[in-house]
Parts: sequence; C-alpha cells; structure tokens
Amino acid sequence: GESVGLHLPTLSVQEGDNSIINCAYSNSASDYFIWYKQESGKGPQFIIDIRSNMDKRQGQRVTVLLNKTVKHLSLQIAATQPGDSAVYFCAEIHTGGFKTIFGAGTRLFVKA
Amino acid sequence: DAGVIQSPRHEVTEMGQEVTLRCKPISGHDYLFWYRQTMMRGLELLIYFNNNVPIDDSGMPEDRFSAKMPNASFSTLKIQPSEPRDSAVYFCASNSAGTGELFFGEGSRLTVL
Repeated sequence: GESVGLHLPTLSVQEGDNSIINCAYSNSASDYFIWYKQESGKGPQFIIDIRSNMDKRQGQRVTVLLNKTVKHLSLQIAATQPGDSAVYFCAEIHTGGFKTIFGAGTRLFVKA
Repeated sequence: DAGVIQSPRHEVTEMGQEVTLRCKPISGHDYLFWYRQTMMRGLELLIYFNNNVPIDDSGMPEDRFSAKMPNASFSTLKIQPSEPRDSAVYFCASNSAGTGELFFGEGSRLTVL
C-alpha cells in the first residue's frame, strides 16, 4: 500500500524548526480527536489524541491544541526531524460510536 | 503481536473481475474497519464490524462491494465486478472497545485496468 495525495496541502520546514499542522473538523458533536502520521507505503499510525474536555495535550515532541469554539485542531512538532516527513491526518470520533472520520491530510516535508 | 495483516499487498486486475481483499485483525480486538484511500476522496470509511457483526456499512459505495467477517480473526472485502474507479489503496484497521486509536495494516493497493 502507499500513501496517496499528490494534491494535499504541503508544509515545508527546515530540520530543527518547529512545525504546526492545522485541521478543521466538521462535527461539533465529536468528542475525541486523534492525529495520525502516514509514511509512504504504510498505513496511518497513531501519534497523539485529545478529548473534547481538554484544550491541550503534550506528548514527546508533539503537542495537540483543540479549539472547540471554531472547531479547529493543531499539531505542533518540536525540533522537526527528517523522519517526521509524512502525511498527517486529523481524525474525529463521532459521539456514541467508534466511527472515525479522517480529514484531508497535510504533507510535511523536512529539509535537511 | 504481528499487527493487522492484509493481503494481497498489490493486486492488478481487469475490469469485470472479482477482487477479494483479506484482513487479519490484531488478536483480542473486537472492532474491525475497512477504509479506502484515493487522491480525490482521501481516507473513506467503508464499513465496520463489532464482534464480527457489521455495524455501519453506509460508506460502502454500491452493491458491487460486500464485506464479511466469519470469525474474530478474519475479514474479507469483495468487489464484484470490479471497475477502474475502484482503483485505490484499501486499508483494514482494528481496535478494542473503549479506545479510539485505530491500528492499521499496510494496505492493499488495487489497480483495475
């Protein structure tokens, strides 16, 4: 399998800089959000999650921010590395089920 | 654990032929999902199962698509007859009740000529 999406929004950053990837979600009833990373030839892989009763959550080198007022998520990657180059998807989980809906994705290029 | 296992990794077929994609979820996971990924529509949920029972198949494009889960360790997605517009990467994912994280396989890339 391969990651597809030649027409995805693209973010290009210098190695060592911080990256911010943005996402707008659609359903105000969604109560759980996840960021996934998809490398070429692989399936999406979990990075970090956040529930709707939180505004911010931090992981190792990554931070997710949630603004429910404007239905906006962001993923911040600190000290971006070449290995971070991938397509990043935000996903929302609809209340009452386990149906995950994915956003369009953003391609991150890290320049060495 | 070996993770979610999908087969075949690549399939090239001619229009009108039947295609069967296979998935083995992670042992102990009771939810199984089939997604399709294309340039135009991104990742689309086709169908998902809970304890081998289809829960929501509203994403299945049309009657040419069918999915089954005869037991907890095996699922198939079948396309009959296949059409060129079915060309995509098909992903299977699984997880356990109580968590939203999906564990994806490496996908099956389908090309219909």
